[in-house]
Amino acid sequence: GAGVSQSPSNKVTEKGKDVELRCDPISGHTALYWYRQRLGQGLEFLIYFQGNSAPDKSGLPSDRFSAERTGESVSTLTIQRTQQEDSAVYLCASSLVRGRVNYEQYFGPGTRLTVT
Amino acid sequence: EDQVTQSPEALRLQEGESSSLNCSYTVSGLRGLFWYRQDPGKGPEFLFTLYSAGEEKEKERLKATLTKKESFLHITAPKPEDSATYLCAVLLSGGYNKLIFGAGTRLAVHP
Repeated sequence: GAGVSQSPSNKVTEKGKDVELRCDPISGHTALYWYRQRLGQGLEFLIYFQGNSAPDKSGLPSDRFSAERTGESVSTLTIQRTQQEDSAVYLCASSLVRGRVNYEQYFGPGTRLTVT
Repeated sequence: EDQVTQSPEALRLQEGESSSLNCSYTVSGLRGLFWYRQDPGKGPEFLFTLYSAGEEKEKERLKATLTKKESFLHITAPKPEDSATYLCAVLLSGGYNKLIFGAGTRLAVHP
């Protein structure tokens, strides 16, 4: 079946502009996650959705970052008033969660954001 | 503070030269440990999940093991196509579902 998809694959924006990044999870996956990966570094957790609620937003770096999810499908990560330090690859993942069991997370290809 | 440390940062092997990558963790409670492979310009690709100390999993030339403080990814007779960054991540107990990742080990296998 289809994997996690993300769009756009690349985004170049000017400092101060707003950007929206989109994630389509694997069908049937109730959990959705956003991570950020700076050049040469590991993945940094941003936010977790279970259905359309976000029980863990602890990784969002500032109030310029927000995310929403429609039901158990598409999610959008929005960055307002972008700064150069926001330049990174933004990765989305989805997984099954049944009871207390968290299954493995499957990742999309990422959106490479460059703020000039 | 929950922490995941991978070593070495980079590893260069000759084709056929077996080795191991290390992932050590200091966490409040472990619900699972995950290994991923990441190729340049792509998202991480799931390899293994380990849930308890003593558990082992194998896939082709890769074998992952888990103790109470660390995990190893053993690569037997590697081929150039095994070249990638290998990421280790832990899933914490206590109701949180985020993965905490290590910085990764960049593996280069030369013919």
